[in-house]
Amino acid sequence: DGGITQSPKYLFRKEGQNVTLSCEQNLNHDAMYWYRQDPGQGLRLIYYSQIVNDFQKGDIAEGYSVSREKKESFPLTVTSAQKNPTAFYLCASSSGTGLQPQHFGDGTRLSIL
Amino acid sequence: QKEVEQNSGPLSVPEGAIASLNCTYSDRGSQSFFWYRQYSGKSPELIMFIYSNGDKEDGRFTAQLNKASQYVSLLIRDSQPSDSATYLCAVGVSNDYKLSFGAGTTVTVRA
Repeated sequence: DGGITQSPKYLFRKEGQNVTLSCEQNLNHDAMYWYRQDPGQGLRLIYYSQIVNDFQKGDIAEGYSVSREKKESFPLTVTSAQKNPTAFYLCASSSGTGLQPQHFGDGTRLSIL
Repeated sequence: QKEVEQNSGPLSVPEGAIASLNCTYSDRGSQSFFWYRQYSGKSPELIMFIYSNGDKEDGRFTAQLNKASQYVSLLIRDSQPSDSATYLCAVGVSNDYKLSFGAGTTVTVRA
């Protein structure tokens, strides 16, 4: 069954700690995305990647980092520089340009301890 | 900056009625239009997409696109309580990997 797997489902971060959210897809999609969603708000783009070993900042990249070493994987690290990390994080992928829909994983809910 | 605007709602409709959701966009060059449904606490799920002017029907859902007026709408016929969710509109162009998302319209179907 093709899809996008995000883990963990829930994550707690201590002060000063970096945490990494996992995103894996087996849809053979070239493009992958990370969004942040705050309660009652829309989606805000953090980073996206069009191809392996390449990624671009989105609208709110400060305090986050990513890597794209494999086509299937696009992990997101929330660094200690992100002072307000509590949010719902969504990973998505698509087969190409903005003419193609994005498909979402189930999300990771991050909270501060 | 491409903008996509939606009424935040909530849009309350009685069970069995038609729910009508609207989305306007600022980039006249937009070429692809998507509707996602997001239940509370869950991730967005693609329910419709449309590329050409006119109507596109899929079950109880109809997407309507008017590029001249720069709006896309979603009609939900015979609304059910299970349709209660937030509906996100997204817009794209061929030369940009990013989609522009609206903030969503919350729909409540009352029994």
